[in-house]
Amino acid sequence: QVQLQESGPGLVKPSGTLSLTCAVSGGSISSSNWWSWVRQPPGKGLEWIGEIYHSGSTNYNPSLKSRVTISVDKSKNQFSLKLSSVTAADTAVYYCARVEALYCSGGSCYSGYYFDYWGQGTLVTVSS
Amino acid sequence: QSVLTQPPSVSGAPGQRVTISCTGSSSNIGAGYDVHWYQQLPGTAPKLLIYGNSNRPSGVPDRFSGSKSGTSASLAITGLQAEDEADYYCQSYDSSLSGSREVFGGGTKLTVL
Repeated sequence: QVQLQESGPGLVKPSGTLSLTCAVSGGSISSSNWWSWVRQPPGKGLEWIGEIYHSGSTNYNPSLKSRVTISVDKSKNQFSLKLSSVTAADTAVYYCARVEALYCSGGSCYSGYYFDYWGQGTLVTVSS
Repeated sequence: QSVLTQPPSVSGAPGQRVTISCTGSSSNIGAGYDVHWYQQLPGTAPKLLIYGNSNRPSGVPDRFSGSKSGTSASLAITGLQAEDEADYYCQSYDSSLSGSREVFGGGTKLTVL
């Protein structure tokens, strides 16, 4: 059973950089999965931030791309998020999740891109 | 403003059937990308409920079903139970001139009366 656990500071100052790490257990980060970050502002919906493959390839939400960096550390089986120039609007629960890009059904396989395992989430507040 | 549109809330009595719609456009659902559904109980992380439009992960009751047609998708819950009270999100993939990304609906709060 794959498990993900987010860690990092719960309070970041405005204009600073938010840094979080997601530790993966019960599976290898070098598997054929992408690894993603999703956030949820208090009382609001989910927003995809970006994803990384174990090779280091990344995809980012165009609306956040200029401020986001996602990296992977295969030796520690973990991946990380950095979000720069944060404001109060970046206050949210941040989740890490595993992306399943391919699924098979009825004898055929299809491109999926869904989140099948999630961390418990960590609240990051941007405030001075 | 979410890329995928869901009703803010739906409700139903125990034992009833409810549906939650998810409306997209030609750059996401209408382009043929799959729709997936998540259940988020209060104070917890989202949980995968339906993947690939209509497939249930192991352990998800068959009371939950999904469908997709054109630029929309639906989640149906039959035999409503008190434990189904939660927020439900649809998710797909969007590819447009501004870039490509995974996208979510705004979420629907299900109240069991």
